[in-house]
Amino acid sequence: NAGVMQNPRHLVRRRGQEARLRCSPMKGHSHVYWYRQLPEEGLKFMVYLQKENIIDESGMPKERFSAEFPKEGPSILRIQQVVRGDSAAYFCASSPKRTNSYNEQFFGPGTRLTVL
Amino acid sequence: LAKTTQPISMDSYEGQEVNITCSHNNIATNDYITWYQQFPSQGPRFIIQGYKTKVTNEVASLFIPADRKSSTLSLPRVSLSDTAVYYCLVGDLNSGGYQKVTFGTGTKLQVIP
Repeated sequence: NAGVMQNPRHLVRRRGQEARLRCSPMKGHSHVYWYRQLPEEGLKFMVYLQKENIIDESGMPKERFSAEFPKEGPSILRIQQVVRGDSAAYFCASSPKRTNSYNEQFFGPGTRLTVL
Repeated sequence: LAKTTQPISMDSYEGQEVNITCSHNNIATNDYITWYQQFPSQGPRFIIQGYKTKVTNEVASLFIPADRKSSTLSLPRVSLSDTAVYYCLVGDLNSGGYQKVTFGTGTKLQVIP
């Protein structure tokens, strides 16, 4: 059973370009979470999605950032008009069907975005 | 949202037992305590989770006192490969039933030969 897949692993963009980060959850997982990690800091929650639905985007910047998890295909985190401050590691995690107790989140290897 | 406090860094020699304590004074009734491990350039990996008392698995033990305001991750006989950042998380189980976890800065454990 393959783990959470993220691609690309490294992405370099110039200021003003768009960045698209992809995440394929573990097989059977319908919940996806995106986190951002700045150097020497912990992970910060950005958004939580289920198939075709954004459940919680309270950690996502209001402008330039968007996320989706279509019925078919990977989840996409899209950053428009990137700025240097967007340089970070972006991690995706997935979990199985929601229950009333804690669901362990399985993390991908991350995408390291560098904005020149 | 419960906030956690843990030491920024710790050093230990190989073969020793390491205990990392985390404070979470505002933990809520429905919150679970979870620990993750993160190696450089990798995503976090689940280690252990508990609600109260003691939990043990093949990797670590988790001690939670009755008031649940703190917890201690215990790693027996650490090796060099245990060098990593360890995060203590307190889950915010909202009405939707999912965990909107918050990662702090973690504890950077350095195992010395």
